[in-house]
Amino acid sequence: DTAVSQTPKYLVTQMGNDKSIKCEQNLGHDTMYWYKQDSKKFLKIMFSYNNKELIINETVPNRFSPKSPDKAHLNLHINSLELGDSAVYFCASSRGASGSDTQYFGPGTRLTVL
Amino acid sequence: TQLLEQSPQFLSIQEGENLTVYCNSSSVFSSLQWYRQEPGEGPVLLVTVVTGGEVKKLKRLTFQFGDARKDSSLHITAAQPGDTGLYLCAGNTGGGNKLTFGTGTQLKVEL
Repeated sequence: DTAVSQTPKYLVTQMGNDKSIKCEQNLGHDTMYWYKQDSKKFLKIMFSYNNKELIINETVPNRFSPKSPDKAHLNLHINSLELGDSAVYFCASSRGASGSDTQYFGPGTRLTVL
Repeated sequence: TQLLEQSPQFLSIQEGENLTVYCNSSSVFSSLQWYRQEPGEGPVLLVTVVTGGEVKKLKRLTFQFGDARKDSSLHITAAQPGDTGLYLCAGNTGGGNKLTFGTGTQLKVEL
């Protein structure tokens, strides 16, 4: 009965590679997010989709491209990986895009770029 | 860029002690949330405060939103080992559901 799930849990790869992280929610929510948590535990929003439409797009390198095939899925593709991309990436979802809608986070994907 | 500073950054205490974590900003937030994150997991929402001066209690945890809605505090009474974790405040400026997270407070409660 996992609410927000991410795959893979761990990802170790070489610089320059392209990789994807997948996220799925079974809560029936309309809004999904991607966050990046750095080594100092600072959590920062990257993207948000509402009903498959991009509504938040923070200052993120264009090597990062989110894709929402349907409301239940939000994937993150990263091209030409760099050392600085190493972090834990969290997916989250909420019922809607209102400030009163609680965000539910997935377990995270720890990305290590060597 | 809005910044939410939390203090202290690290806190190690004995079971039974009380503690307070602070979350401060120069920005006004329409609401402020507190999350707890355990190792290997995502943050979990503890509480949302909306009104300036609002106080909410969750068992041994007391949350307060500043009168000017720029700061907040989390007080834990009689801390237990199960309270160990990373505490994060997050502010919402009202432009959609975009959260600005604080710098985090890592709490360790020892027996």
